[in-house]
Amino acid sequence: SQQGEEDPQALSIQEGENATMNCSYKTSINNLQWYRQNSGRGLVHLILIRSNEREKHSGRLRVTLDTSKKSSSLLITASRAADTASYFCATDSGNTGKLIFGQGTTLQVKP
Amino acid sequence: GAVVSQHPSRVICKSGTSVKIECRSLDFQATTMFWYRQFPKQSLMLMATSNEGSKATYEQGVEKDKFLINHASLTLSTLTVTSAHPEDSSFYICSANGGSGRGAADTQYFGPGTRLTVL
Repeated sequence: SQQGEEDPQALSIQEGENATMNCSYKTSINNLQWYRQNSGRGLVHLILIRSNEREKHSGRLRVTLDTSKKSSSLLITASRAADTASYFCATDSGNTGKLIFGQGTTLQVKP
Repeated sequence: GAVVSQHPSRVICKSGTSVKIECRSLDFQATTMFWYRQFPKQSLMLMATSNEGSKATYEQGVEKDKFLINHASLTLSTLTVTSAHPEDSSFYICSANGGSGRGAADTQYFGPGTRLTVL
């Protein structure tokens, strides 16, 4: 079953612009992770944020977590055409490694 | 980082045949692996948790007799799709927890996926 929703489902921006994707979930979590998937390929782990953290950065990525609203956001700054991919959030509720994925956001960055 | 491989990367088979997909953790031991299925333009759906040395735990709605999972060693889990039908055509992805050996303990490492097409 899906843990939550992501919005937008699809996002199209110009190179250099920022892209923001949101993820909501339903149950309490231990951590939330963001993944990237190029078309027809496997998943690439981007960033993990724990339930006691509010914000995390990695390069051009910024992730926030609001456990009171059960939501997270992924910001990609200064986007590049190579950022074109699908982005998924996934929650781990039991520290078991068992992940429940959101619906995903398809990002297109136009050169 | 830790590496997980899958074999084969793509398979085409006739309806009614069985297909085995392997998932290996190449440079770390994984007592637990996970199998996901992804239909086109959809998200990943967790199918089952593969436990080394014991029976797999299946998610609700997943037929355990159709999707046989064997986790015979700390580096290998196999998923066998028995009597495959066209509706089983999908992208199957495994993951392993990096809790033992290299890799962060709470990071999942995903295989590259196996594209199954059943004719």
